[in-house]
Amino acid sequence: GAVVSQHPSWVICKSGTSVKIECRSLDFQATTMFWYRQFPKQSLMLMATSNEGSKATYEQGVEKDKFLINHASLTLSTLTVTSAHPEDSSFYICSARGLGGTSGHYNEQFFGPGTRLTVL
Amino acid sequence: QKEVEQDPGPLSVPEGAIVSLNCTYSNSAFQYFMWYRQYSRKGPELLMYTYSSGNKEDGRFTAQVDKSSKYISLFIRDSQPSDSATYLCAMMSSGNTGKLIFGQGTTLQVKP
Repeated sequence: GAVVSQHPSWVICKSGTSVKIECRSLDFQATTMFWYRQFPKQSLMLMATSNEGSKATYEQGVEKDKFLINHASLTLSTLTVTSAHPEDSSFYICSARGLGGTSGHYNEQFFGPGTRLTVL
Repeated sequence: QKEVEQDPGPLSVPEGAIVSLNCTYSNSAFQYFMWYRQYSRKGPELLMYTYSSGNKEDGRFTAQVDKSSKYISLFIRDSQPSDSATYLCAMMSSGNTGKLIFGQGTTLQVKP
C-alpha cells in the first residue's frame, strides 16, 4: 500500500520559535496533500489543502501566515508553525492523495503517522 | 448541527463479540464513505472505502452505507483485543477537492 511518512514524529520547542514538519509520500506521487490538526480525544480537523506547485487553500479560521505550507514536489509537503505558542500544541497529521492509478481509488487518502508538537 | 455525527463511546466489548459502529450525516452531497482506525498517538489507517450506497466486506469488517437514511455502519466480527482503537468515519462529496469530513471517532476496547 501507499506509505506516507512524517518527520519529526515529535518535537518540543520554546514559545516564539518556528517548527517545520515534513510530509513525504514514499512510494507514490501525491498531487494533493492535506494537513490536519487533532487535539486530544477529538477528531481530525482539516487545516489546509496543498496542491503541488500552487498556493495552499486554508480552511476558515486557520491563519495562513502562522501555518506556512509548501508543496514543492509531488512527494514532499512541509508545514511550518511560525512563532509557536502553547495553544499550538497538538498532533499534526498529513495525508496524501495520489495520481490516478497509484491506488484503488483516486479519492483515497493515505495518512502519515503524525507529529506531536509541544510548545513550552 | 455537525455535518457528521458519531457517538464517541467509549464502547467496551468482550473478545469475540460483534461490534457495530455507526455515523449519521446531514449533507446529501456526500458520495464517498470511509472508515479509519487510529491507534493512540498514530495516524489514521484506512479500513474501508465505499462509494455511494451498499455493502462492502473485507475479512472481519463489513461497511454499510444507506444514503436514503444518511447512515453508515461498520461491523467487526469476532472482535480481537488488537481491534481496540478509535474508529473514525469520514465522508467526502463528489468533485475534486478531496476534503474529508470526519466524525468525532468512537473509542473501542475489546477485552480478552
